[in-house]
Amino acid sequence: QVHLVESGGGVVQPGTSLRLSCAASGFPFSLYAMHWVRQAPGKGLEWVAVITHDGSEKHYADSAKGRLIVSRDNTQKILYLQMDSLRVEDTAAYFCARESGGYTFGRNAFDMWGQGTMVSVSS
Amino acid sequence: QSVLTQPPSVSGAPGQRVIISCTGSSSNIGAGHNVHWYQQLPGTAPKLVIYDNNSRPSGVPDRFSGSRSGTSASLAISGLQDEDEAYYYCQSYDSSLSVFGGGTKLTV
Repeated sequence: QVHLVESGGGVVQPGTSLRLSCAASGFPFSLYAMHWVRQAPGKGLEWVAVITHDGSEKHYADSAKGRLIVSRDNTQKILYLQMDSLRVEDTAAYFCARESGGYTFGRNAFDMWGQGTMVSVSS
Repeated sequence: QSVLTQPPSVSGAPGQRVIISCTGSSSNIGAGHNVHWYQQLPGTAPKLVIYDNNSRPSGVPDRFSGSRSGTSASLAISGLQDEDEAYYYCQSYDSSLSVFGGGTKLTV
């Protein structure tokens, strides 16, 4: 069975850090670019970051630059999102998603999504 | 403000056909980037319903169709069913970075 399972969310105070994980199974993880997408409560989808299949390239939305860092461990089949200096506006459900096609990034659909993990930033 | 513009809501009676538009610019849809569409039911992850402008993933009914022209794209749903009631998002790319529309709530 093909799966993406996020974890690591929680309630934290502004200025603190959190690391999200996305465990992949059922497909050759190392062949696919992976993305993080977030959704604030009652709002639409917002793309956050992408990492290429081999981790050689990473790109971020302006809202994430300098504070959110995407990484991956292809041996363990895990995608990460390190979130530093968290702000109230980072409160959202965070989804990991696979970009279809393999090897490429920046052109294909997100054909597989995790169930999401909720991050709440509040004082 | 989202890079891609969608109407906030559309509605239709069961059996009818609705169209959801997605308007971009010369740097994304107009640059030739494909458009993909997702359906999101409350409390669940998005689900891909149209990829590469007009292709359906396995398991998506042929009531769903898509098109792209110029700087815009559209998703059409015919023979509306109660289960189609959901939010729909378009997605494309802008200089290799992903962009989403603001989402459209479909009420059946």
